[in-house]
Amino acid sequence: GESVGLHLPTLSVQEGDNSIINCAYSNSASDYFIWYKQESGKGPQFIIDIRSNMDKRQGQRVTVLLNKTVKHLSLQIAATQPGDSAVYFCATRDSGNTPLVFGKGTRLSVIA
Amino acid sequence: EADIYQTPRYLVIGTGKKITLECSQTMGHDKMYWYQQDPGMELHLIHYSYGVNSTEKGDLSSESTVSRIRTEHFPLTLESARPSHTSQYLCASSERTEQYFGPGTRLTVT
Repeated sequence: GESVGLHLPTLSVQEGDNSIINCAYSNSASDYFIWYKQESGKGPQFIIDIRSNMDKRQGQRVTVLLNKTVKHLSLQIAATQPGDSAVYFCATRDSGNTPLVFGKGTRLSVIA
Repeated sequence: EADIYQTPRYLVIGTGKKITLECSQTMGHDKMYWYQQDPGMELHLIHYSYGVNSTEKGDLSSESTVSRIRTEHFPLTLESARPSHTSQYLCASSERTEQYFGPGTRLTVT
């Protein structure tokens, strides 16, 4: 089965610095990867996704990098702001029509 | 902004009671999901549905049931609430891959 995990449970960064949140997955057949942001008391919100046929995708201030060789996914947030403080989850999906499997989450704290 | 709603937002209930958590979405999505989440922890899949009259069990399904009679509605029922059910319950829906989440129901069983 699929298992998804994050390397660090917490991450503290200075406002304005770049943040990098990492995620490891175990199933080499995974074909879809997604990052969610969850603020306190709210449901997870979509940040960015990437399919297995890509190794990089950029959004507004965020970049997702996929390294299929080592089964590693990262989320980069540029110029981190206090509003970025939240728990970030990666999730992946086995090939086919299966539900997402979520990792344990990394809490990002932005120091003003 | 996703149109997915959960009620109640907060619920405190005694042990042994039967409860139903409501989830509705107005996006016409065929796929819907229920997750259980302790604060700041990973999401555990309880049940999911890929269409009307179709439901599947996830990892934590043994103590709950779901139904999918209408596309927009996916209620979760706990037949006999226990303190171990104290948690946040998140409902989600999707059309293809990206899942849209509701605000969650925070359940406390005393």
